[in-house]
Amino acid sequence: EVQLVESGGGLVQPGGSLRLSCEASGFTFSSHWMNWVRQSPEKGLERVATIRQDGGEKSCIDSVQGRFSISRDNAKNSLYLQMNSLRVEDTAVYYCVRVSDNWAFDYWGQGALVTVSS
Amino acid sequence: DIQMTQFPSSLSASVGDSVTITCRASQAVGTYLNWYQQRPGRAPNLLIYYAFNLHSGVPSRFSGSGSGTDFTLTISSLQPEDFATYYCQQSNSRPPTFGQGTRVEVK
Repeated sequence: EVQLVESGGGLVQPGGSLRLSCEASGFTFSSHWMNWVRQSPEKGLERVATIRQDGGEKSCIDSVQGRFSISRDNAKNSLYLQMNSLRVEDTAVYYCVRVSDNWAFDYWGQGALVTVSS
Repeated sequence: DIQMTQFPSSLSASVGDSVTITCRASQAVGTYLNWYQQRPGRAPNLLIYYAFNLHSGVPSRFSGSGSGTDFTLTISSLQPEDFATYYCQQSNSRPPTFGQGTRVEVK
């Protein structure tokens, strides 16, 4: 059974940092692109960042460029999102998401709530 | 970025009804169109990929169609567990983008 379990969410002040982690199991982690997707009432669902199987290619949305960094450790079956210089508008539930061979988002974690507020 | 627009934004229906949700892309995406279901308090679940292919375990009452810019999701006989929010998403161009969602409510 495919499982994705996020951790590391919480309350942080504007300008602060958080690191989200996602532990994967039930599939060959190193064979899949992986995403972080966030969801907020204001912006809906938004793919934040993507990383290739070997970590050699990464991309993220313009609004987090230079502040967020996606990474992975295939030996630990883990995905990470380092979030710096957090803003109020980064408040959202963040999901760890697997990308299928057909480029759909086929498995999602339960989500980690990130709240940026003073 | 490709904009995805869904309509209606919400609809009311009864168990057993057939419902159709429409998704329109601001530019052609071929058949790189996926549908997701999200129940309250839960993560989205993939229903359909490549416009009309059912994801593993998805009941056959769900079906998808379309290509280019116009797509539909149909639920042929609504069940109690189908009252949820549905999202379309294009995976043809980066960044992948989602529609704003269609909420299916109990009439």
